[in-house]
Amino acid sequence: GQQVMQIPQYQHVQEGEDFTTYCNSSTTLSNIQWYKQRPGGHPVFLIQLVKSGEVKKQKRLTFQFGEAKKNSSLHITATQTTDVGTYFCAGEGSNDYKLSFGAGTTVTVRA
Amino acid sequence: DVKVTQSSRYLVKRTGEKVFLECVQDMDHENMFWYRQDPGLGLRLIYFSYDVKMKEKGDIPEGYSVSREKKERFSLILESASTNQTSMYLCASSLFGTGVNQPQHFGDGTRLSIL
Repeated sequence: GQQVMQIPQYQHVQEGEDFTTYCNSSTTLSNIQWYKQRPGGHPVFLIQLVKSGEVKKQKRLTFQFGEAKKNSSLHITATQTTDVGTYFCAGEGSNDYKLSFGAGTTVTVRA
Repeated sequence: DVKVTQSSRYLVKRTGEKVFLECVQDMDHENMFWYRQDPGLGLRLIYFSYDVKMKEKGDIPEGYSVSREKKERFSLILESASTNQTSMYLCASSLFGTGVNQPQHFGDGTRLSIL
């Protein structure tokens, strides 16, 4: 199955700054999902991207699916303390209906 | 709202014991999943099921088995627990999707320690 890599593993951000986390797959994906896990909590679904080049926004979060459908990114603007947590991407392969999760990017915010 | 309930938040067992982790969902979802979560490794799929009595191996099935006798319940079994199975175990469920995986809904997890 596909392998999904996420970078960076840790992101320390000053409150108010922007940052981006990246997700890369070894194979073409049929779609990609993003989840957020707050400290002590469980992963919660954020969004799904299906189309090549697709861009979706949720308030300060912008999600993008690459043209080749092998990578994705999550960009957060004006980071707030509520953004603290671990963000996972999860890709579904074109021939494999399992989701493969990345290792996650853990975000901490300096006030 | 979907609720996925795992039977225990914390569990301590001994090496060699047979361990059962239970998961129940209340939204009539067809698909159910068991993952383990370890620092730096993300979520790794152990087993999943897309229907009653059906099961499929995930990426790390060795040392585990599963049971799905009813649609709402999916059990993970550690046949003979070992210390390297100490981990956080997460159960999830989702609707069956045609061509595209539907969003997964997770339980709160069971932190299992094998001594």
